[in-house]
Amino acid sequence: AQSVTQPDIHITVSEGASLELRCNYSYGATPYLFWYVQSPGQGLQLLLKYFSGDTLVQGIKGFEAEFKRSQSSFNLRKPSVHWSDAAEYFCAVSNRDDKIIFGKGTRLHILP
Amino acid sequence: ETGVTQTPRHLVMGMTNKKSLKCEQHLGHNAMYWYKQSAKKPLELMFVYSLEERVENNSVPSRFSPECPNSSHLFLHLHTLQPEDSALYLCASSQDPRAGGRNTQYFGPGTRLTVL
Repeated sequence: AQSVTQPDIHITVSEGASLELRCNYSYGATPYLFWYVQSPGQGLQLLLKYFSGDTLVQGIKGFEAEFKRSQSSFNLRKPSVHWSDAAEYFCAVSNRDDKIIFGKGTRLHILP
Repeated sequence: ETGVTQTPRHLVMGMTNKKSLKCEQHLGHNAMYWYKQSAKKPLELMFVYSLEERVENNSVPSRFSPECPNSSHLFLHLHTLQPEDSALYLCASSQDPRAGGRNTQYFGPGTRLTVL
């Protein structure tokens, strides 16, 4: 069955430090991959997506993610986090014809 | 207005009330979705509409009744809810992947529902 795993429920980093959020997926077909961010009380905002081509994807707000087929991973990175990045981050997987499956989310805390 | 809008943003209702949630998308999409997001639970897909036809209903109780009068509007009618139905209800839209779309969903800000 298709699934998405975000192994870290909470992550805390200092402002200005680098960030990596992990995402692993199980999907039989070639996946479409997404990262969304959700601020408290808000909807989900699309950060970036991968469909094909270059496996390093640039997104909004300085985020990037790398698709590694051999590891079934799509980790999200940012070189230097800002206090405004504190939010919950969701990884998701789909393919062309199927519904999107979301992970359970990783809550990011930023230390001043 | 741009993107996906939802009204109201907050709703408090008693178990005997009837209310409706509204979603409107301004993206020219032809598929719309209702999700439920509860504390400590992953996002739950409730309903999917494509070209105004319901294509998926994930075993949602009948006290939730969706309506999609056109490709831009989606409603969720609520009646005789239970306290455990309190959650953030999110609407999303996309191009229908079965019609050549890329299945990228865009979300509204949500309606925070509290059932007393």
